[in-house]
Amino acid sequence: EVQLLESGGGLVQPGGSLRLSCAASGFTFSSYEMNWVRQAPGKGLEWVSYISTSGNTIYYADSVKGRFTISRDNAKNSLYLQMNSLRAEDTAVYYCARELGGTSGYCDYWGQGTLVTVSS
Amino acid sequence: SSELTQDPAVSVALGQTVRITCQGDSLRNYYASWYQQKPGQAPVLVFYGKNDRPSGIPDRFSGSSSRNTASLTITGAQAEDEADYYCNSRDSSGNYVVFGGGTKLTVL
Repeated sequence: EVQLLESGGGLVQPGGSLRLSCAASGFTFSSYEMNWVRQAPGKGLEWVSYISTSGNTIYYADSVKGRFTISRDNAKNSLYLQMNSLRAEDTAVYYCARELGGTSGYCDYWGQGTLVTVSS
Repeated sequence: SSELTQDPAVSVALGQTVRITCQGDSLRNYYASWYQQKPGQAPVLVFYGKNDRPSGIPDRFSGSSSRNTASLTITGAQAEDEADYYCNSRDSSGNYVVFGGGTKLTVL
């Protein structure tokens, strides 16, 4: 069974940092592209970042470029999101999502999400 | 990046057919995928590509595409289909993923 389990969320002050993790199981992690997608309270889905299977190709939404860093460790079946210079508008549930392939953007499995709250 | 536009809310009578649409320039080059999200839950992929439905998704969910518009059709809507629905695709550059703003479906 495919499982994605996010962790690392919490309350952080504006300007602070947080590192999210996503532990994958039930599939060959190294064979799948991955994404981070977030959802602010009461709002819609917003794509955050993409990483290829090898980690050599990475994309970011303009709203997080220069502040967030996506990475992966295929040996540990894990995906990460390092978030720096956090702002109030980064407050959201962050989901990791497996991409079907072919750089399609289609996400067939999602984690349950981890809540990040940026507030003083 | 480009945008995808969805109607904020749509309603359908129980057992009837409803179409949820998604418009955007990127849809001229890329097929959309569709996600169902119920309150407090993660999104679930219900349709993607030209004509693909993940295993376990009822066949009352279908998709189509024309020019810059993608559509998700639910034929014979059930009470459990009441949820938010989001479309997404690659943007025109291929370097970003874009989501529509979401459509809240009410089953009457």
